[in-house]
Amino acid sequence: DTEVTQTPKHLVMGMTNKKSLKCEQHMGHRAMYWYKQKAKKPPELMFVYSYEKLSINESVPSRFSPECPNSSLLNLHLHALQPEDSALYLCASTPATNEKLFFGSGTQLSVL
Amino acid sequence: ILNVEQSPQSLHVQEGDSTNFTCSFPSSNFYALHWYRWETAKSPEALFVMTLNGDEKKKGRISATLNTKEGYSYLYIKGSQPEDSATYLCAFNTGGFKTIFGAGTRLFVKA
Repeated sequence: DTEVTQTPKHLVMGMTNKKSLKCEQHMGHRAMYWYKQKAKKPPELMFVYSYEKLSINESVPSRFSPECPNSSLLNLHLHALQPEDSALYLCASTPATNEKLFFGSGTQLSVL
Repeated sequence: ILNVEQSPQSLHVQEGDSTNFTCSFPSSNFYALHWYRWETAKSPEALFVMTLNGDEKKKGRISATLNTKEGYSYLYIKGSQPEDSATYLCAFNTGGFKTIFGAGTRLFVKA
């Protein structure tokens, strides 16, 4: 299994809602990532987990809360988002550092 | 701030044309340069990872070169086919977990 699976594919939420994005991989990769991408812009790194510990937080607002319950799962909990948070959220994994990223197909998020 | 620039932003070619795109990146603290291919509604997929100055990599009709001293990489597609239509992303890694992406070149190949 060489896939990274993200759910849901699409999500519409209000500014007062709480929702979660999920990411799963069964390749034994030890690093997992969240990227955010707005149309025609580069994907921007948000968080990196390595061996289930948070390694990088790129100064992301606290309304985004990552969680890595085990080595195969990565969640992104969303609360009190703003319309400008509407974007494609991509999950990725790597066997270790410095290696090519394996991406999911993303969750397209709209905040109303 | 690390910046990765890609040009052109988009490109329209006819089937059978050969084409190339450019990726510019900082020439200091270089560890690796990645190219990804991203088809609409699918996941970005790695094409190449290059680490050495002068590296050339090839996969079928697609090839890439790397110049780390001047901070650029070229991606070439020979004899473009409609199935090559995608966004091509390059990304720069300084070692560690941070991989910084460019905004991509969107290629449209008309049959």
